[in-house]
Amino acid sequence: QSALTQPASVSGSPGQSITISCTGTSSDIGGYNYVTWYQQHPGKAPKVIISDVSNRPSGVSNRFSGSKSGNTASLTISGLQAEDEADYYCTSYTSTNTLGVFGGGTKLTVL
Amino acid sequence: QLQLQESGPGMVKPSETLSLSCTVSGGSISTIGDYWGWLRQPPGKGLEWIGTIYYSGTTYYNPSLKSRVTISVDTSKNQFSLKLTSVTASDTAVYYCARHKGYFQKFDPWGQGILVTVSS
Repeated sequence: QSALTQPASVSGSPGQSITISCTGTSSDIGGYNYVTWYQQHPGKAPKVIISDVSNRPSGVSNRFSGSKSGNTASLTISGLQAEDEADYYCTSYTSTNTLGVFGGGTKLTVL
Repeated sequence: QLQLQESGPGMVKPSETLSLSCTVSGGSISTIGDYWGWLRQPPGKGLEWIGTIYYSGTTYYNPSLKSRVTISVDTSKNQFSLKLTSVTASDTAVYYCARHKGYFQKFDPWGQGILVTVSS
């Protein structure tokens, strides 16, 4: 069982927007702005798409955006494209007896 | 351009120790503020953080694996290594090494990953 809770799957049609949630506690997401989102295509290493809750690295499409409210972080993908079909993971720094925690991952299907 | 490359056996017998190395090129493993992590992904499953080391030797481990994991660093070789003892079939996974920033931020770049199968 992962420390951060993500939905196992989400889906959307091309052009639509979807949001993936990532729920933690006040010891991780709620207490710090160190949430990172990763995109992983099959057979590939993960890629950073959002860091520090809402910062988008250069080269990442502006269709990806991140936010946080309380103990829940969210990744929104607007204008869905076929190439967005992938697995998405959230992570956060934690003040508990370790360094960080991962979400279990969300499989995005573009219908 | 910073690059990481995992190396080690692709198969390990049950109850034995899994040993992997990660060679860093295009930059120094002793760079202030850079942390070096090991992660894994069982076939068809999600990512799992194993642990992290700083060039000074300070380590951080996933509590669920802590009793079996040792991560070490060799700054002279620009390498860091993973040892996982008493492996079972559930340790079969693609193992990745990656750099991240201080507060578990931004694992990037990643190595290409190495599949390690635990089987007799």
